[in-house]
Amino acid sequence: DQQVKQNSPSLSVQEGRISILNCDYTNSMFDYFLWYKKYPAEGPTFLISISSIKDKNEDGRFTVFLNKSAKHLSLHIVPSQPGDSAVYFCAASLIQGAQKLVFGQGTRLTINP
Amino acid sequence: NAGVTQTPKFRVLKTGQSMTLLCAQDMNHEYMYWYRQDPGMGLRLIHYSVGEGTTAKGEVPDGYNVSRLKKQNFLLGLESAAPSQTSVYFCASSQPIGRFYEQYFGPGTRLTVT
Repeated sequence: DQQVKQNSPSLSVQEGRISILNCDYTNSMFDYFLWYKKYPAEGPTFLISISSIKDKNEDGRFTVFLNKSAKHLSLHIVPSQPGDSAVYFCAASLIQGAQKLVFGQGTRLTINP
Repeated sequence: NAGVTQTPKFRVLKTGQSMTLLCAQDMNHEYMYWYRQDPGMGLRLIHYSVGEGTTAKGEVPDGYNVSRLKKQNFLLGLESAAPSQTSVYFCASSQPIGRFYEQYFGPGTRLTVT
């Protein structure tokens, strides 16, 4: 039972354009949603988060939107740069003794010059 | 400040062999986690610890044991490796401040069981 899903395994975007990565979830008890970025042979690094009580959070070129009624979130990267090429994981947080993260399958983003 | 380090980076085991993966963090974090990542799947939580001397099961704990004898170290053990345990293993740590706290990940250990 996949509680967090990223239905696009890959996405290719031209440099300078907007990249939009999508994520769907099923559990309405999640309290935070996060995006992690992962380069090959490295561990994931935290990018941006959003509380379940918000609908938008912005940090520089990165904006995360949350639509609770649709159980959907998206990450917008504007403008896209070659260094943004990586695998992006959506994750959702549950506080049960400790903060537990449930990850989506990941989307490989390629930025073309 | 090294952050989260993992030893070894790569390992090949035969079915039935045992091994221990070591995770170390120098950020004085209370919480530590072990995840596995398989192709086409996200990271899945194996075990976690909320402090020295404590451990708890995550989503996929079967076939693994853990220990947290020192605050800075979190060990993941495979007593009798199986091919299904071929995966990339990530350790993470975090400090519980407020309602949300970022998890910091190590570079991973790629394990192959033949």
